[in-house]
Amino acid sequence: EAQVTQNPRYLITVTGKKLTVTCSQNMNHEYMSWYRQDPGLGLRQIYYSMNVEVTDKGDVPEGYKVSRKEKRNFPLILESPSPNQTSLYFCASSPLLWGKSSPLHFGNGTRLTVT
Amino acid sequence: DAKTTQPPSMDCAEGRAANLPCNHSTISGNEYVYWYRQIHSQGPQYIIHGLKNNETNEMASLIITEDRKSSTLILPHATLRDTAVYYCIVRGGGQGGKLIFGQGTELSVKP
Repeated sequence: EAQVTQNPRYLITVTGKKLTVTCSQNMNHEYMSWYRQDPGLGLRQIYYSMNVEVTDKGDVPEGYKVSRKEKRNFPLILESPSPNQTSLYFCASSPLLWGKSSPLHFGNGTRLTVT
Repeated sequence: DAKTTQPPSMDCAEGRAANLPCNHSTISGNEYVYWYRQIHSQGPQYIIHGLKNNETNEMASLIITEDRKSSTLILPHATLRDTAVYYCIVRGGGQGGKLIFGQGTELSVKP
């Protein structure tokens, strides 16, 4: 089944303790991206990647890192989490079709709480 | 990157058509209009997209104005299960990296 898989679904951690949220897709998509969702603010893009070793900042990249060493994986790294990073996080992927366009496929989300 | 504007909330009676508007006045010539919906806190679900022609699929219809500055998503016979937040975004053809979702429209379908 074609899907975007995020892990973990729920995570509670403490301020300053490094964590990684994984995202994997099995559709051979070039494009992957991370979003956070907070009440009243909709979905905001954190980082995106157009292909392996190509990443770029979205609207709210501060406090986050990403890497794209393999096509299928796009982990989100919080080196020193803070309470204002408590949020619902989504990973998404899509193919990149030159001259055309294609929809994003979203994961089921990771709810992170930083105390 | 083009930004979209949507009303924060709308109501619709069950069985009636739901018409959700979206303004994207700064859209570029190669940018597509996409609609997604999100039920509760699940991952957003793709509904439909289009460039300049009207589009229809099994879920909805998309009407794009001739100047492409606005569009309307139509759910022809809304059901209670269509209650969700609907997002309209624009994305470049093949090169759309940075995406702006906005806050969407919260649609409530009432019996």
